[in-house]
Amino acid sequence: GAGVSQSPRYKVAKRGQDVALRCDPISGHVSLFWYQQALGQGPEFLTYFQNEAQLDKSGLPSDRFFAERPEGSVSTLKIQRTQQEDSAVYLCASSLPGFYGYTFGSGTRLTVV
Amino acid sequence: GDSVTQMEGPVTLSEEAFLTINCTYTATGYPSLFWYVQYPGEGLQLLLKATKADDKGSNKGFEATYRKETTSFHLEKGSVQVSDSAVYFCALPNTGNQFYFGTGTSLTVIP
Repeated sequence: GAGVSQSPRYKVAKRGQDVALRCDPISGHVSLFWYQQALGQGPEFLTYFQNEAQLDKSGLPSDRFFAERPEGSVSTLKIQRTQQEDSAVYLCASSLPGFYGYTFGSGTRLTVV
Repeated sequence: GDSVTQMEGPVTLSEEAFLTINCTYTATGYPSLFWYVQYPGEGLQLLLKATKADDKGSNKGFEATYRKETTSFHLEKGSVQVSDSAVYFCALPNTGNQFYFGTGTSLTVIP
């Protein structure tokens, strides 16, 4: 597609519920990144894929967070047993190697109540 | 470790005023430096970048010069418009193709 597409745009989850956030990157972009942006803060890195391989997951805050990209295209970020501190905007970005064409999606705003 | 420190906001300016948003960085080596902009309800968009010392990045009237001696990459615009109202992020890439972002500076331009 023309840009990075994320869905849903907004998600309200009850505490303890599991959620799944989807990212559809730009066609041909081998690299895919997830960031978490808390209110009033800059985005913070969560995890990185090159094709289907998850090369870095050092930013995932707990084992409740899980990301996958099984066919090297669409990625899903899953959060199990959501907590209030998980409330944030989750941004996906994709790129060619070397930051070329690095493009962010509009994000999914997750609110845990 | 690598990091960026960004001027805190919010910043409110009248239309046609001069804008400066300060950004300093800490890094090993000489990385590229970036400014991103986030308009309300949207994702981050690349505003400009500079790849080496003394380079000047520019776009849409915004400029930033990579100053190695002061480890700075301050964003400037000579005459802001209402449409420039947004949050601006200074960013530094690491070797893993991910970015370190500043905390963001919110700019509101009033007519």
